[in-house]
Amino acid sequence: GENVEQHPSTLSVQEGDSAVIKCTYSDSASNYFPWYKQELGKRPQLIIDIRSNVGEKKDQRIAVTLNKTAKHFSLHITETQPEDSAVYFCAASWHNNDMRFGAGTRLTVKP
Amino acid sequence: DTAVSQTPKYLVTQMGNDKSIKCEQNLGHDTMYWYKQDSKKFLKIMFSYNNKELIINETVPNRFSPKSPDKAHLNLHINSLELGDSAVYFCASSQEARINEQFFGPGTRLTVL
Repeated sequence: GENVEQHPSTLSVQEGDSAVIKCTYSDSASNYFPWYKQELGKRPQLIIDIRSNVGEKKDQRIAVTLNKTAKHFSLHITETQPEDSAVYFCAASWHNNDMRFGAGTRLTVKP
Repeated sequence: DTAVSQTPKYLVTQMGNDKSIKCEQNLGHDTMYWYKQDSKKFLKIMFSYNNKELIINETVPNRFSPKSPDKAHLNLHINSLELGDSAVYFCASSQEARINEQFFGPGTRLTVL
């Protein structure tokens, strides 16, 4: 089965700086890689996703890159704001929507 | 309109009891899931149902059983509750074909005393 590893487990940045979270996956059949943001006491919500036929995707301050050969993908947040503080989860999904999540990264943006 | 809803939001119960958590989605999705999120925030899939068939069954205790009366509902029954069952349980749904985004419910915080 799929195994997803996520680093770092905690990340603290100053407001305005960039934040990068990295994930690796084990199953080369995985073809969908979403990123979820979970604020304290709330549900996980999709912020960006990428499919295996794309190498990079950007949405305003958020971007995701995928390296299929190396089986890793990364989330990049630029110009961080205090409201970006949350737990971020990467995930990898393949046949039948079998989605496996990373362990999460707690991002703190200090004003 | 609420896309994925769960009831109850909080559940406090004694060890040994049997309890159920209900989940409903109004998105017309084909697949529904149950996740357990422990105190360390790790999200682990427990079950998924596609058109009333179980397609993923993780190694969870058989005290946990999913029940799907129809495509829009996936309830979670837990028998003989144990202290270690305390966690937040999330229901989710997704459209099977091509669109893989999973939409999560608000979660049910289960506390076993």
